[in-house]
Amino acid sequence: GENVEQHPSTLSVQEGDSAVIKCTYSDSASNYFPWYKQELGKGPQLIIDIRSNVGEKKDQRIAVTLNKTAKHFSLHITETQPEDSAVYFCAARGMYSGGGADGLTFGKGTHLIIQP
Amino acid sequence: DGGITQSPKYLFRKEGQNVTLSCEQNLNHDAMYWYRQDPGQGLRLIYYSQIVNDFQKGDIAEGYSVSREKKESFPLTVTSAQKNPTAFYLCASSRDSGGQPQHFGDGTRLSIL
Repeated sequence: GENVEQHPSTLSVQEGDSAVIKCTYSDSASNYFPWYKQELGKGPQLIIDIRSNVGEKKDQRIAVTLNKTAKHFSLHITETQPEDSAVYFCAARGMYSGGGADGLTFGKGTHLIIQP
Repeated sequence: DGGITQSPKYLFRKEGQNVTLSCEQNLNHDAMYWYRQDPGQGLRLIYYSQIVNDFQKGDIAEGYSVSREKKESFPLTVTSAQKNPTAFYLCASSRDSGGQPQHFGDGTRLSIL
């Protein structure tokens, strides 16, 4: 099955600086890579996603890049603000050993702390 | 407002007891999923359903059961066979299972008395 590694586990940046979170995946057949933001006591919220036929996608202060050859993808947040503080999860869609499955495999999360 | 509703928000289970977590969606999505989240861990897939009256085991299905009798509902039962049930349980849905975005509810936190 798919395996997703996410780094770092904790990231502290000054307000206004940029933050970068990186993930690697193992299944070269994976073709969909979403990023989720989770606030305390809430469910994850989709913030951006990218498919394997695209190398980069941007939405205002958030961007995601994908390197299929190296099997890694990254989340970039520019001009960070206090409300960006949360746990961020990357995920990859691959095929499960059970056959025909279509769930997501998640990284273990990055706790992003924005220092005022 | 369309969305996914999970209830209850907090649930307590006694030893040897089965409990059922509710998940309802009004997004008209075909696919629904149950994940378990432990502290410092990512989400792990328990069960998923691609269509009504069909469901499949995920990575950690042992000790859990589900049903999908209606499109909008996908309840999860945590049975007494699940020896470590304390966790945050998240339900999600997507338009179909073809790599469409998954949307999550706000979770149920299950604890053992």
